[in-house]
Amino acid sequence: DQQVKQNSPSLSVQEGRISILNCDYTNSMFDYFLWYKKYPAEGPTFLISISSIKDKNEDGRFTVFLNKSAKHLSLHIVPSQPGDSAVYFCAAPEAGSYQLTFGKGTKLSVIP
Amino acid sequence: DTGVSQNPRHKITKRGQNVTFRCDPISEHNRLYWYRQTLGQGPEFLTYFQNEAQLEKSRLLSDRFSAERPKGSFSTLEIQRTEQGDSAMYLCASSLLAGSYNEQFFGPGTRLTVL
Repeated sequence: DQQVKQNSPSLSVQEGRISILNCDYTNSMFDYFLWYKKYPAEGPTFLISISSIKDKNEDGRFTVFLNKSAKHLSLHIVPSQPGDSAVYFCAAPEAGSYQLTFGKGTKLSVIP
Repeated sequence: DTGVSQNPRHKITKRGQNVTFRCDPISEHNRLYWYRQTLGQGPEFLTYFQNEAQLEKSRLLSDRFSAERPKGSFSTLEIQRTEQGDSAMYLCASSLLAGSYNEQFFGPGTRLTVL
């Protein structure tokens, strides 16, 4: 059973527009969420995180929104740039643990 | 370069052989993690060390897998009697004991191909 779900395997967006990547989770014990970005032949790179006591966290062009009642979070990238083209993973730590549970990822392509 | 490093970057082996991978974490990081990633999937947790103590192991980590972190510095992951299903990217990550909650820094990975 997948506890962290990214239902869109891919997304294409025009440069300068907004990219919205979605993530759903089933484990109500998750209280912290992270987004990682991965380029080919590299390991995942931490992007932004959010605690369950917040509903929004912003860092430059990246904003993560958390809707706890819907068990849903989203990553907004505005404006999108070609260098943002990568696979984006949503992740959450298991309760009482430091192991991260990852979604399957969404491949974002930003078209110049 | 002060990031997480992994060696080798690529390993091709025949079924039944043993392989060993090395991970050097960021020097001041106390926690070290191993993950495995297969095509089309996100990374899956294998095991975690705090200093030299192995504190968590996934049920994915069969008896053929063993990990060590002597002296709490670098770590090795050994797979004995490799099987074709072991083909994957093996990722190492590290984090600070008192750092941002679970901000784990990943290495570039070791891609294993079992023929």
